[in-house]
Amino acid sequence: EVQLVQSGAEVKKPGESLKISCKGSGDTFNRYWIGWVRQMPGKGLEWMGIIYPGDSDTRYSPSFQGQVTISADKSISTAYLQWSSLKASDTAMYYCGRGNKYYDVLTGYQDYFDYWGQGTLVTVSS
Amino acid sequence: QSVLAQPPSASGTPGQRVTISCSGSSSNIGSNTVNWYQQLPGTAPKLLIYNNNQRPSGVPDRFSGSKSGTSASLAISGLQSEDEADYYCAGWDDSLNGVVFGGGTKLTVL
Repeated sequence: EVQLVQSGAEVKKPGESLKISCKGSGDTFNRYWIGWVRQMPGKGLEWMGIIYPGDSDTRYSPSFQGQVTISADKSISTAYLQWSSLKASDTAMYYCGRGNKYYDVLTGYQDYFDYWGQGTLVTVSS
Repeated sequence: QSVLAQPPSASGTPGQRVTISCSGSSSNIGSNTVNWYQQLPGTAPKLLIYNNNQRPSGVPDRFSGSKSGTSASLAISGLQSEDEADYYCAGWDDSLNGVVFGGGTKLTVL
């Protein structure tokens, strides 16, 4: 069974740093991408970026480029999302997902998450 | 303002058929595949439809997806109370070089 297990809820102050994690099975980290999605309170889903743990190829949404860092340690099947200086507006639920990325000349890009972590709630408040 | 446009709400009675639309452009739906996610209250999203119309193992065939030009639709037939959830369309956008989501549609089963 494919499982992605995320680290627990965090409460931080503005300006603090934070690194949250997403641990999966070895097969997941050898063959798939791992992505991150933000969901602010009462709002929709936003794609933040994605990493291929096999070679650390990382892509960011323009909205999140420079705001967060996505990384992975294939040896322990874990992906990370980190902030160097949190803001109150970073308060949200963050989900990781197992990414499937394919390109077909007829249908274009297929890019979807077939399994999701349970989510990590990050609260930033003074 | 989401790149993919969905109606904020939809509703139906048990047994009915409901459709949810997703409108995009030539840089996303028009040139790439569409996926749909279901998010039950208080839970993580779940993949419902991928590659426009493919259902992952375990998803009932009451759920179906279609795409035409720069628009896509999710249809739910034989509506059940447990279908009450938020539904999101998503896909790759060539201009933004990333995945874009619709704003989500809250489905209410009356």
